[in-house]
Amino acid sequence: QMQLVQSGPEVKKPGTSVKVSCKASGFTFTSSAMQWVRQARGQRLEWIGWIVVGSGNTNYAQKFQERVTITRDMSTSTAYMELSSLRSEDTAVYYCAAATIRGCYTHWGQGTLVTVSS
Amino acid sequence: QSALTQPASVSGSPGQSITISCTGTSSDVGGYNYVSWYQQHPGKAPKLMIYEVSNRPSGVSNRFSGSKSGNTASLTISGLQAEDEADYYCSSYTSSSTEVFGGGTKLTVL
Repeated sequence: QMQLVQSGPEVKKPGTSVKVSCKASGFTFTSSAMQWVRQARGQRLEWIGWIVVGSGNTNYAQKFQERVTITRDMSTSTAYMELSSLRSEDTAVYYCAAATIRGCYTHWGQGTLVTVSS
Repeated sequence: QSALTQPASVSGSPGQSITISCTGTSSDVGGYNYVSWYQQHPGKAPKLMIYEVSNRPSGVSNRFSGSKSGNTASLTISGLQAEDEADYYCSSYTSSSTEVFGGGTKLTVL
């Protein structure tokens, strides 16, 4: 069955970068789209960006445009989200989600807690 | 891109029906039939309940239904059950080829 497994929790210093991975299995990775979403404790879901895996085309929320890069490695069926210039407000759980039908993000990773603290 | 507008909370008794609204603009909800609804229990990842305004993924109960009128989408849950108590989020495709989420609605089953 479709499964997304994310990398483990991270603790980062302000100003540094974090790269979260999301390994896919159980579906045709190259025919999917992957989105990244984050959620600070007690807050709403916040969309970060997505990648069309086959073409590598990406798009990002304006808020993150300057700091985020989403990539994929088709040889390992893994998507990555890298966020730079980290600040305390970036402390959140980061999720990846996959869609094989447009807009149908049925499968989500377990979430990765990123903590930014000096 | 501003968040879509949802009521902060709704409540209902078991067996009743409730509706959660999600208001955007003509640049998101009103302009595209790519509205989704997610259910999230505490400490868990979101679960897709509705996509493309009114479609249910396989395995989602038919007690959940979605609709849209103008710039407002709605999620209706009929025959409310205790396990429906959760946070619900809408999301929409936008004219910038991005997605935007709503502020979330806490559903309490009385």
